[in-house]
Amino acid sequence: AQRVTQPEKLLSVFKGAPVELKCNYSYSGSPELFWYVQYSRQRLQLLLRHISRESIKGFTADLNKGETSFHLKKPFAQEEDSAMYYCALRAGETSGSRLTFGEGTQLTVNP
Amino acid sequence: EAQVTQNPRYLITVTGKKLTVTCSQNMNHEYMSWYRQDPGLGLRQIYYSMNVEVTDKGDVPEGYKVSRKEKRNFPLILESPSPNQTSLYFCASSPLGRNTIYFGEGSWLTVV
Repeated sequence: AQRVTQPEKLLSVFKGAPVELKCNYSYSGSPELFWYVQYSRQRLQLLLRHISRESIKGFTADLNKGETSFHLKKPFAQEEDSAMYYCALRAGETSGSRLTFGEGTQLTVNP
Repeated sequence: EAQVTQNPRYLITVTGKKLTVTCSQNMNHEYMSWYRQDPGLGLRQIYYSMNVEVTDKGDVPEGYKVSRKEKRNFPLILESPSPNQTSLYFCASSPLGRNTIYFGEGSWLTVV
């Protein structure tokens, strides 16, 4: 069975500081990894998916299969980045497979 | 506008009183799913559906039922709600294939 772990429930940084939100996963197959963001208990929004290898709002994430990690990084945090961040894994090779979420990390960016 | 719509958004109910949370999507997606979000536990899947009349249990199905009679709708039914079902519920949908999953705005449910 797949599992996603986000070791930090809370993370607090100052504006302009680098930020890294950790995500580790366990899955024996070829996973698809995502980062979702949730502002003030609103709906979850897709931030990144590893297969697109893009940068959204200054965030990047690289899938490291050797370390089974998909950490989210931003070099200079902004106050508007304060939100709940969820790492998620889609395991199945078949279409529309379920997402397994981590516990979430609440990021606070202080002025 | 493509969207996933849930109703009600907020509900306070009493233990044992049956309730239904509706979910509707206008994107002709095959896959639909329900999650509950609890502090410290993240999102946990309750039920999911790969297509009409095809449903399956997620990680925490106890106390819930679903149905998928039409492609666009995937209601979540609590036959006899209990206080431990107090939570924030999200419906989600996606097309088949490795595509983006879209979430509804969430439904806050309190069972007293």
